[in-house]
Amino acid sequence: AQSVAQPEDQVNVAEGNPLTVKCTYSVSGNPYLFWYVQYPNRGLQFLLKYITGDNLVKGSYGFEAEFNKSQTSFHLKKPSALVSDSALYFCAVRDARQAGTALIFGKGTTLSVSS
Amino acid sequence: DADVTQTPRNRITKTGKRIMLECSQTKGHDRMYWYRQDPGLGLRLIYYSFDVKDINKGEISDGYSVSRQAQAKFSLSLESAIPNQTALYFCATSDSSEGHNSPLHFGNGTRLTVT
Repeated sequence: AQSVAQPEDQVNVAEGNPLTVKCTYSVSGNPYLFWYVQYPNRGLQFLLKYITGDNLVKGSYGFEAEFNKSQTSFHLKKPSALVSDSALYFCAVRDARQAGTALIFGKGTTLSVSS
Repeated sequence: DADVTQTPRNRITKTGKRIMLECSQTKGHDRMYWYRQDPGLGLRLIYYSFDVKDINKGEISDGYSVSRQAQAKFSLSLESAIPNQTALYFCATSDSSEGHNSPLHFGNGTRLTVT
């Protein structure tokens, strides 16, 4: 079975500081990994994905994520946080060997960036 | 994502009532999904459909049913609503031509309250 965990309910950072939102996963095969962001009263928006290749993936709004196979992690990062980055962030996974399945999401991490 | 439209945006209903949530998309995607979001639980998959003749149960399908009336329409029904179905419901789409790693595109959600 596939699963994903986001160990922090909330992450607080000051504007201009680097941010990290953590994600770990469990799949039997190779993972397809995704990050989404949700702003208040809106649906989720796709940020970035890892399929194969370079372990550092760059996405929208200056975000990037690092795939670490040995630690089964896919942490979301940004070098310099903005107040407008404050939102709810979701990590999601699909097992590449289970083509007929849908994405499984983590519980979400609230990012709060203070000015 | 304005290309994925959910109706209604908000609905209050009473226990035991039948209710239908509708989703339509203009993206031309073949795959559609229904998720529910609960605070602290993240997004959980209810049902998904990879084409008009394909319906699959997700993690939490009990108490729900779906209908894929056309490629562009995917409705979710609660045959007899109960209070623990109070949640934010999201419809999403994806394009199989991008492969199984294609990102999801979400509607803005339907907030359902069962009293």
